[in-house]
Amino acid sequence: KQEVTQIPAALSVPEGENLVLNCSFTDSAIYNLQWFRQDPGKGLTSLLLIQSSQREQTSGRLNASLDKSSGRSTLYIAASQPGDSATYLCAAYTGANSKLTFGKGITLSVRP
Amino acid sequence: DVKVTQSSRYLVKRTGEKVFLECVQDMDHENMFWYRQDPGLGLRLIYFSYDVKMKEKGDIPEGYSVSREKKERFSLILESASTNQTSMYLCASRRVPGNQPQHFGDGTRLSIL
Repeated sequence: KQEVTQIPAALSVPEGENLVLNCSFTDSAIYNLQWFRQDPGKGLTSLLLIQSSQREQTSGRLNASLDKSSGRSTLYIAASQPGDSATYLCAAYTGANSKLTFGKGITLSVRP
Repeated sequence: DVKVTQSSRYLVKRTGEKVFLECVQDMDHENMFWYRQDPGLGLRLIYFSYDVKMKEKGDIPEGYSVSREKKERFSLILESASTNQTSMYLCASRRVPGNQPQHFGDGTRLSIL
């Protein structure tokens, strides 16, 4: 059974810092891995999707990498801003029953 | 742009009521999903639908049912609401074949009194 872990649960950084959010998964037989952002009381916004054949994906200041063999993905945020404050969730898709397995998220606070 | 719309942002109901949560997507996606999200437990899949009139149980289907009569609409039904069903409910959709991103609605915060 796939398990997805995100540690730490919360992170606070000063504005301007480059940071890395980690995601680990137990079953390396994934089809893809998706990163989401969630603002308080809102739904999930898809940030990046990395297919199993890819190593990384980039969108603006965000870069996500995938290492299937080690069961890890990272989300790199460059030059963080207070507007980046949110909860970031990763989710792995193994193809079983079409479902995503989610981590519990990392709540990021960027201090001005 | 992708759009998943949930009918209510906030809903308050009483125990024993039959509750309907509606979700509509405008992208002609085949797959649709209902999750609930609770502090400390994360997102858990309740039901999903491969296509019209097709449904599969997720991890926590007890106390819920679903309906998918049209491709764009996926309804979650609480047959007899209980206080332990107070939660944030999230709907999502995805195109097939499978390696496509899931897109979520804004969520419905449901309180059962």
